[in-house]
Amino acid sequence: LAKTTQPISMDSYEGQEVNITCSHNNIATNDYITWYQQFPSQGPRFIIQGYKTKVTNEVASLFIPADRKSSTLSLPRVSLSDTAVYYCLVGTFNQAGTALIFGKGTTLSVSS
Amino acid sequence: EAGVTQFPSHSVIEKGQTVTLRCDPISGHDNLYWYRRVMGKEIKFLLHFVKESKQDESGMPNNRFLAERTGGTYSTLKVQPAELEDSGVYFCASSPLAGATSTDTQYFGPGTRLTVL
Repeated sequence: LAKTTQPISMDSYEGQEVNITCSHNNIATNDYITWYQQFPSQGPRFIIQGYKTKVTNEVASLFIPADRKSSTLSLPRVSLSDTAVYYCLVGTFNQAGTALIFGKGTTLSVSS
Repeated sequence: EAGVTQFPSHSVIEKGQTVTLRCDPISGHDNLYWYRRVMGKEIKFLLHFVKESKQDESGMPNNRFLAERTGGTYSTLKVQPAELEDSGVYFCASSPLAGATSTDTQYFGPGTRLTVL
């Protein structure tokens, strides 16, 4: 699976928009980009997934440029409860299931 | 819908003892995964079941670890004998078998924190 690079940590204040960028220079043609969120003492939770351009759901938006060598997770108007570790994963998913490869993630701290 | 559950939430054992972790996946999910995070490291894949069959066990660290999923429902992960370096958080995840156009979103349990003294 493609290796990813993302910032170790980020700080923000409530109400701000937070953008976390992930680099994946070796992404393969069939790879998808997926973001997971993990709160303390919980398992990771799927946030969003995309292949190209922009994907939006009720939680976040994912921006993927044409070359797909990076992606940006955008969290609109964060709150204290968005404090968590955010993981960017890149890989090809097959119908038989796929082992996820996690990096160190980005620890987002939201303050009031 | 109930999520993935894991038992126990925390286990403290002495080196050389045996521990069995249990995972109950979401009902109907044929894929079941085990992962673990040791202190200061990333979450690492251990193995993957499809129903009762081991699809991929490339991440299992050594033969002290034995995973089973009899009947294709819940799974157990036994560590025997436990060593100090086995301490960490063990996560279980499940997902349905993907259709032609869907991708594998995994649902994680809260994890079991294992401490080996």
